[in-house]
Amino acid sequence: AQRVTQPEKLLSVFKGAPVELKCNYSYSGSPELFWYVQYSRQRLQLLLRHISRESIKGFTADLNKGETSFHLKKPFAQEEDSAMYYCALRGGGSNYKLTFGKGTLLTVNP
Amino acid sequence: NAGVTQTPKFQVLKTGQSMTLQCAQDMNHEYMSWYRQDPGMGLRLIHYSVGAGITDQGEVPNGYNVSRSTTEDFPLRLLSAAPSQTSVYFCASTPAGVGYEQYFGPGTRLTVT
Repeated sequence: AQRVTQPEKLLSVFKGAPVELKCNYSYSGSPELFWYVQYSRQRLQLLLRHISRESIKGFTADLNKGETSFHLKKPFAQEEDSAMYYCALRGGGSNYKLTFGKGTLLTVNP
Repeated sequence: NAGVTQTPKFQVLKTGQSMTLQCAQDMNHEYMSWYRQDPGMGLRLIHYSVGAGITDQGEVPNGYNVSRSTTEDFPLRLLSAAPSQTSVYFCASTPAGVGYEQYFGPGTRLTVT
C-alpha cells in the first residue's frame, strides 16, 4: 500500500521568511513524488516533480529515500505563495494512479 | 485547447436524486480520473480509466458510477445522492507515458440537502 502524510494542516509564515512544507511517504518500491498547488478558487496544478530536480517559483524539493520524505522548501516566502499544497505519490512502472496527502494550507502574512 | 472541462460548476441536489457530472478533455489523454476534495481529507480517488472502455474503482467508489465510451469524455454518475456526497469534485487527465502529470478541471461544487 502507498501512503502520503502531510503532518501540518496549516502553516503560517511572514513574508520573507523561509518555508518548509513537510511530506513523508510509504511505498515499497521506487516512487515518483509530486507537489501540486491550488491557489484560491483555481484548479490544482503541478508545481514540481522530483525526477525533474527543478526549481519552480523559487520552490525546491528533494527526495530523501532514507527518510522517505519529499519536503517542499522556499528560502523567502511571498504573499502570492499562499495556497493549498498537496504532496502526491505515483507508484512505479506505468501506474497512473496518484495518492495524495491531505494537504497543507500555507498562509504568508505581510 | 480547452484542456479539462467540467460541468456544472455548482449543483444542489436533494437526497435521493441522481445526476451526472460531466468531464471532457481535448488533449487525447489516455488516463482520466475523478477525485473528491473534502476539508481535512485531501483528494480521494473515486474512479479512474486507463482508456476508452476501461474503468476501475479508486479509494471511495461507493455511490458513484462511471463509463468511458470515448477518449474525451468521462462522466461521473451519482445514483442516489446522499448528504455525505457533498463535496468538490475534480476530474483529471494524464497523457500516456510522458511525465505522468495530471491536468485538473476547474471542479464541480456539489451540495446534497
